[in-house]
Amino acid sequence: DGGITQSPKYLFRKEGQNVTLSCEQNLNHDAMYWYRQDPGQGLRLIYYSQIVNDFQKGDIAEGYSVSREKKESFPLTVTSAQKNPTAFYLCASSFLGAYEQYFGPGTRLTVT
Amino acid sequence: QQQVKQSPQSLIVQKGGISIINCAYENTAFDYFPWYQQFPGKGPALLIAIRPDVSEKKEGRFTISFNKSAKQFSLHIMDSQPGDSATYFCAALWNSGNTPLVFGKGTRLSVIA
Repeated sequence: DGGITQSPKYLFRKEGQNVTLSCEQNLNHDAMYWYRQDPGQGLRLIYYSQIVNDFQKGDIAEGYSVSREKKESFPLTVTSAQKNPTAFYLCASSFLGAYEQYFGPGTRLTVT
Repeated sequence: QQQVKQSPQSLIVQKGGISIINCAYENTAFDYFPWYQQFPGKGPALLIAIRPDVSEKKEGRFTISFNKSAKQFSLHIMDSQPGDSATYFCAALWNSGNTPLVFGKGTRLSVIA
């Protein structure tokens, strides 16, 4: 069954804790992306990676970190430095040079 | 320069009516304009997309109209159904797919019977 998986679907953390969100794809896509979604804000780009071991900051990278050790995996760590971490986080992927970008089901993170 | 401005923020349409959502952009380097549909608690799904070399693209009840000179594009949903109730995002891409999508802020569509 091909696609993009994100786990867990819901995540609860206490303020001050780092948390890592998982994103895996078996579509053989080269590029992977992390977006944050807040009500009325649309989708804002956090980080993206076009090749293993390389990634670029998006518009709102502060307080987040990523790694790309394998082509199929692009985990996102929400650090304690992120001031408002509660949000819906979406992972996406695409072939390099292709226009179509596909999204995973998302992880809803709640920090209290 | 990189923004895509989307309107309206929310839209209520009667069942069977036409839903129209508009987007405008500034960057003339954009060369791909997709629309995504998102249901609550789910990831966005690619609905329909257009390249700037055509003025209209139709897939079933969904049509994109593209006005290159005005730097605007719109989504029309004909015969709107309650199942179309979702949030719709326009987006734009440049550099032949080697850069991330730039998204509008979304339109929440409610189709009422």
